[in-house]
Amino acid sequence: NAGVMQNPRHLVRRRGQEARLRCSPMKGHSHVYWYRQLPEEGLKFMVYLQKENIIDESGMPKERFSAEFPKEGPSILRIQQVVRGDSAAYFCASSPRTSGSGDEQFFGPGTRLTVL
Amino acid sequence: GENVEQHPSTLSVQEGDSAVIKCTYSDSASNYFPWYKQELGKGPQLIIDIRSNVGEKKDQRIAVTLNKTAKHFSLHITETQPEDSAVYFCAASSSGGGADGLTFGKGTHLIIQP
Repeated sequence: NAGVMQNPRHLVRRRGQEARLRCSPMKGHSHVYWYRQLPEEGLKFMVYLQKENIIDESGMPKERFSAEFPKEGPSILRIQQVVRGDSAAYFCASSPRTSGSGDEQFFGPGTRLTVL
Repeated sequence: GENVEQHPSTLSVQEGDSAVIKCTYSDSASNYFPWYKQELGKGPQLIIDIRSNVGEKKDQRIAVTLNKTAKHFSLHITETQPEDSAVYFCAASSSGGGADGLTFGKGTHLIIQP
């Protein structure tokens, strides 16, 4: 059973360009979470999605950032007009969401975004 | 919102000794507390978790304890080995209402001295 997959693993963009990060959850998981990790910091929650629905985007900046999880295909985190401060590791996690009180989240290897 | 504090930021122990990492949380509604191990250049790996209806959980050399009254939980690693060297993160979440995102501590860099 393949784990959470993310691509690309490394992404370099110039200021003002767009970054698209992809995440394929584990087989059978329909819940996806995106987190951002700055150097020497813990992970910060950004957004929680189910298929075709955004459930909680309270951690996502209101401008330039968007996320989707279509019926078919991977979840996409999109950053428009990137700035140097967007440089970070972006992790995706998926969950089976089978129980009623908190579910295990399994993380992908991350995408390391560098903005020049 | 939830706030998770983690200590220490760095912990160095001799191989074979025990290591203890402690976390506190602020939101009494939090009911799920996972611990993750992150190696350099990799994603966090879930190593153990505990829910608010139990006080302790053990898996081989790893154990976690939870004190709901004091709002703190701890990770215990016994008989440490070189491969235990990594950054460890605690986290907390409360289910329901869509508030399922994990709030992480800032991490503990565990160094196992040979």
